[in-house]
Amino acid sequence: GNSVTQMEGPVTLSEEAFLTINCTYTATGYPSLFWYVQYPGEGLQLLLKATKADDKGSNKGFEATYRKETTSFHLEKGSVQVSDSAVYFCALRPQETSGSRLTFGEGTQLTVNP
Amino acid sequence: EPEVTQTPSHQVTQMGQEVILRCVPISNHLYFYWYRQILGQKVEFLVSFYNNEISEKSEIFDDQFSVERPDGSNFTLKIRSTKLEDSAMYFCASLRDAYNEQFFGPGTRLTVL
Repeated sequence: GNSVTQMEGPVTLSEEAFLTINCTYTATGYPSLFWYVQYPGEGLQLLLKATKADDKGSNKGFEATYRKETTSFHLEKGSVQVSDSAVYFCALRPQETSGSRLTFGEGTQLTVNP
Repeated sequence: EPEVTQTPSHQVTQMGQEVILRCVPISNHLYFYWYRQILGQKVEFLVSFYNNEISEKSEIFDDQFSVERPDGSNFTLKIRSTKLEDSAMYFCASLRDAYNEQFFGPGTRLTVL
């Protein structure tokens, strides 16, 4: 079946540090890949997405590249801010679109200190 | 900007009681979902709903669970007889069409005592 694995958390960084959150997946064919973010007290918000191999999704300084050869979709940001503190979820939607259900990773808590 | 809303934000109930979690999806969306997250675990898919019927459900979604769209705006999840292990954050999501992103609500934290 489909699965998503994220790096162990939590992650604590100082402001302006470089961020990488690893995400790998298992799925047949070419799933769509997503990063969602959850700020304290809020719902899951789509951060970025990629729908085919070698696509790069980007938003708010965050980037992730769909790597079919390594089945990965790592999230990166060059310089984090305190306001980036949140939980980040990697997710996939299978290539077949029946129901478009999402499969999530465990989530990674990011704390950015000033 | 339109958003998905959920009520209540926190529900505390006794084991064996029925609970109804409510969601108002975005008005022109056609697909509706429930997910849950047990504390410290992954967000898990429960059920999807399209065209007034369940389109897919997970093995978690047993006979104790049901969903309904009673009035064209609300989307509810009912748990008939809650168990301790039903304690979780429940997220509702909606989708305009199968190729777009899902929009999530803020969640309802269910605590079963």
